[in-house]
Amino acid sequence: QVQLVESGRGVVQPGRSLRLSCAASGFIFSSYGMHWVRQAPGKGLEWVAVTSYDGNNKYYADSVKGRFTISRDNSKDTLYLQMNSLGTEDTAVYYCAKGHSSSWYSHFDSWGQGTLVTVSS
Amino acid sequence: QSVLTQPPSASGTPGQRVTISCSGGRSNIGSNTVNWYQQLPGTAPKLLIYSSNQRPSGVPDRFSGSKSGTSASLAISGLQSDDEADYYCATWDDSLSAWVFGGGTKLTVL
Repeated sequence: QVQLVESGRGVVQPGRSLRLSCAASGFIFSSYGMHWVRQAPGKGLEWVAVTSYDGNNKYYADSVKGRFTISRDNSKDTLYLQMNSLGTEDTAVYYCAKGHSSSWYSHFDSWGQGTLVTVSS
Repeated sequence: QSVLTQPPSASGTPGQRVTISCSGGRSNIGSNTVNWYQQLPGTAPKLLIYSSNQRPSGVPDRFSGSKSGTSASLAISGLQSDDEADYYCATWDDSLSAWVFGGGTKLTVL
């Protein structure tokens, strides 16, 4: 079955960078769009970014545009989120989610367990 | 402030039917299908309804979705204590070129 395992959790100071990874298994990773979604403590879900199956199409939430970069390595079945210029508002659990089809347009049908990122001095 | 508007809370007694609304605009719900996610306490979200009214395999038929114009609804019939969770609607927004979520509705089973 689909398995998504995020890693890269940690405490980072404001202004610093962090890279998250999501290892995928149980499906043909290179055939599906992939998303990052985050949830601040005690708050609702916030979509962060999506990449199409081949990495050629990427979209971002306004709140992270210009600071975060989503990428994928289909040879390693791994999704990444490079986060730069982190602020305290980026403190959240970050979930990796699988798209239902190859594009950025389809809903997310499976989720990882999430990884906590804390931005604090 | 979320692009999609949901009531912050809803409640019902066991066996009852409850509905949760999700209101948007022409560029999101008005143009695209709606998906619903259930998040049980302390766990990752789970897909409940996709394409406005389709249930993934394994989701009981007590859960149903509908869409009309720029609004969507999730209905839960035969309410059970296990249904106590947060529920979120989500869809693609053509104007923003982004996925958008509702603020979430906390369902309490009394």
